[in-house]
Amino acid sequence: GNSVTQMEGPVTLSEEAFLTINCTYTATGYPSLFWYVQYPGEGLQLLLKATKADDKGSNKGFEATYRKETTSFHLEKGSVQVSDSAVYFCALSDRYGGATNKLIFGTGTLLAVQP
Amino acid sequence: GAGVSQSPSNKVTEKGKDVELRCDPISGHTALYWYRQSLGQGLEFLIYFQGNSAPDKSGLPSDRFSAERTGGSVSTLTIQRTQQEDSAVYLCASSRTSEKETQYFGPGTRLLVL
Repeated sequence: GNSVTQMEGPVTLSEEAFLTINCTYTATGYPSLFWYVQYPGEGLQLLLKATKADDKGSNKGFEATYRKETTSFHLEKGSVQVSDSAVYFCALSDRYGGATNKLIFGTGTLLAVQP
Repeated sequence: GAGVSQSPSNKVTEKGKDVELRCDPISGHTALYWYRQSLGQGLEFLIYFQGNSAPDKSGLPSDRFSAERTGGSVSTLTIQRTQQEDSAVYLCASSRTSEKETQYFGPGTRLLVL
């Protein structure tokens, strides 16, 4: 079945460091891929998405490129800030797996940015 | 409203009691989803509504769980005879039919079963 694997956390970085959070997926069909973020005490927010191979999603300085050949969707940011501290979830939606479009999530990666 | 709202935000109940969790989706969003976020299982899909019908209930963990949606808007998730393993954050999300995969989440209901 469809699944998402993302790197274990926590990831601890200093402010202005480069961030990579790895995400790989297994899916039948052609999923759309997402990164969601959950700030402390808040709900899930969509950070970025990509709907087909080689698409790049970007938002708030974060980027991720849909790589079909490596089945990956790694999240990157060139210079993190303390305010980026949150839990990041990689997810997929299989558009061809029926009409549901339910999201399948990875386990989440906690990012802690220190000043 | 501006976003998905859920109530209550927190619920503490005793084992064996029934609970009802409510979700108000974004106005005009015909697709509605329930997910559960727990320490042991991560984020799991529970049920999907399109309008008032639920074509996908595959994530409901047992027959103690049920959900309904009325008027194509508000949804209620009911857990009967709650167990301690039901303790989790229950999340609701909604989306437009034309863009179902882009889902907007509510703040969740934190359920604690004692």
